[in-house]
Amino acid sequence: EAQVTQNPRYLITVTGKKLTVTCSQNMNHEYMSWYRQDPGLGLRQIYYSMNVEVTDKGDVPEGYKVSRKEKRNFPLILESPSPNQTSLYFCASSLTGSKGYTFGSGTRLTVV
Amino acid sequence: AQSVTQPDIHITVSEGASLELRCNYSYGATPYLFWYVQSPGQGLQLLLKYFSGDTLVQGIKGFEAEFKRSQSSFNLRKPSVHWSDAAEYFCSVGALYNFNKFYFGSGTKLNVKP
Repeated sequence: EAQVTQNPRYLITVTGKKLTVTCSQNMNHEYMSWYRQDPGLGLRQIYYSMNVEVTDKGDVPEGYKVSRKEKRNFPLILESPSPNQTSLYFCASSLTGSKGYTFGSGTRLTVV
Repeated sequence: AQSVTQPDIHITVSEGASLELRCNYSYGATPYLFWYVQSPGQGLQLLLKYFSGDTLVQGIKGFEAEFKRSQSSFNLRKPSVHWSDAAEYFCSVGALYNFNKFYFGSGTKLNVKP
């Protein structure tokens, strides 16, 4: 089944403890992206990638890192999480952006 | 800068009634336009998309949307709503020059009354 898989689905962590949210797609898609979703704000783009080793900042990149060492994987790294990064995170991928994106099921992160 | 506005935060309709969700965008050229649906606890699912051609586009689950350039709008419609359509709906606009840059509205939450 074609899908975008994120792990974990739920995560509670403490301020300052580094964490990684994994994202993997099995559709051989070139484009991948991370979003955060907050009530009343819709989805805001954190980082995106056009291909292996090609990444760029979205609209809210502060406090996040990404890497794209393989085409299928696009992990999101929070080096020192803070409470304002408590949010629902989505990974998405697309063969070409014009066709729209396939989204993962989301990761709900709580930083205390 | 590009932006997407969904003026209605919540909408309630009766099952079987028609539905129209509004979306207005701000963009300098013909954009890519999308509607997504998010069911509780789920990711977003693409309903339909528009770039060029016929301004009335058909999507999955019986939804359609009409692009009106003069009004910078891309409203989503469904003639007869089913209880399973209760969800949150997001309009999105993409940049022609960068298929990675997409902007989303803040969403419209649809409730369906029996």
